Amino acid sequence: SAVISQKPSRDICQRGTSLTIQCQVDSQVTMMFWYRQQPGQSLTLIATANQGSEATYESGFVIDKFPISRPNLTFSTLTVSNMSPEDSSIYLCSVDPGTGAAGELFFGEGSRLTVL
Amino acid sequence: GNSVTQMEGPVTLSEEAFLTINCTYTATGYPSLFWYVQYPGEGLQLLLKATKADDKGSNKGFEATYRKETTSFHLEKGSVQVSDSAVYFCALSSGGSNYKLTFGKGTLLTVNP
Repeated sequence: SAVISQKPSRDICQRGTSLTIQCQVDSQVTMMFWYRQQPGQSLTLIATANQGSEATYESGFVIDKFPISRPNLTFSTLTVSNMSPEDSSIYLCSVDPGTGAAGELFFGEGSRLTVL
Repeated sequence: GNSVTQMEGPVTLSEEAFLTINCTYTATGYPSLFWYVQYPGEGLQLLLKATKADDKGSNKGFEATYRKETTSFHLEKGSVQVSDSAVYFCALSSGGSNYKLTFGKGTLLTVNP
């Protein structure tokens, strides 16, 4: 298993500002992912964070809005840039523990952002 | 594209009641199906899974059977406990991208003593 810590757990932000969410894993993992859960919606994959290379973004998500860093095998950050109320969501960090078991991901508790 | 539809919540039950949370899916190919659970104050965790038609996933008294003919993966438990109170998410992966899970919206279950 993998233990994932996310910071902050929640925050209230002003429109136009940016916020960086940190994700720390207690073991080295190759694949880390960032998901978003908008109010009343399902989880949506934002991007895959690759160590040593650029993140891979899903359709509808761009690097300028959601820059991601992955400096090592246990840490990643997601920045939500130039926030608007539509960015109010729970952002979740997830990792593939590398067991080879399809779809078995570990998730952090999430970071609940409210943009005023 | 892929999609998952699960029953709207919230669901409120008394302890020892029978639980069913419906989940249906649309997917290309042959998806793997999952139920994830999020207990209060914790991250999502895998509850059970099934990787091919007619497989039954089970864990902690919960069961779900992969029904290809009805494209369903309903979650059941014969006797719920207060400790089962959580949000339950149905999900699928397909197309070789095991990490790219498609989730339902989640169902909040509250079990009262």
